Amino acid sequence: SQQGEEDPQALSIQEGENATMNCSYKTSINNLQWYRQNSGRGLVHLILIRSNEREKHSGRLRVTLDTSKKSSSLLITASRAADTASYFCATDGGFKTIFGAGTRLFVKA
Amino acid sequence: GAGVSQSPSNKVTEKGKDVELRCDPISGHTALYWYRQRLGQGLEFLIYFQGNSAPDKSGLPSDRFSAERTGESVSTLTIQRTQQEDSAVYLCASSLAGPYNEQFFGPGTRLTVL
Repeated sequence: SQQGEEDPQALSIQEGENATMNCSYKTSINNLQWYRQNSGRGLVHLILIRSNEREKHSGRLRVTLDTSKKSSSLLITASRAADTASYFCATDGGFKTIFGAGTRLFVKA
Repeated sequence: GAGVSQSPSNKVTEKGKDVELRCDPISGHTALYWYRQRLGQGLEFLIYFQGNSAPDKSGLPSDRFSAERTGESVSTLTIQRTQQEDSAVYLCASSLAGPYNEQFFGPGTRLTVL
């Protein structure tokens, strides 16, 4: 079974709105990563947050991590049509990284 | 610099045939991963190589799947006696040493088994 599971499975918003995606996982982690996948650029790394961090920012991205709840959230502020993609959280499961099923984000212009 | 490359980009094969997929990681990346992604789904871990250590093969779905890596360079994923359920995009990624670093993904090989 997958370590990380995102919700919602799909999200549709208007350009300019914020988008929030959540990830829950099952076992202790050393870090959690978020990746984006779209048809143009494939899978790219967005941000990594370590288990001793609670919040991290990168441009319009804000990631939080709550290890007590085994959950993380990815917030994209002021969304753009170009943010349309699938977003995956990935956690370290031993010596391998385990990806969730992803959230499909659609940003309408 | 060059990213992760994979070949072929597309492969159509008949059921029962063997296929070989290739991955060229970023130079200097000691860790290499193979994943499978079925249409509309997430990434399914297949195998992980780290330097000269024994690979983590725990994700390989059956003994028809195997992978090799020579040192810290090219890797090949072989699927024998392909089945229709093997149809998917096969993604390769590499990273600096260890599983806790950012992974850089190749464009994938889209495999279609007829």
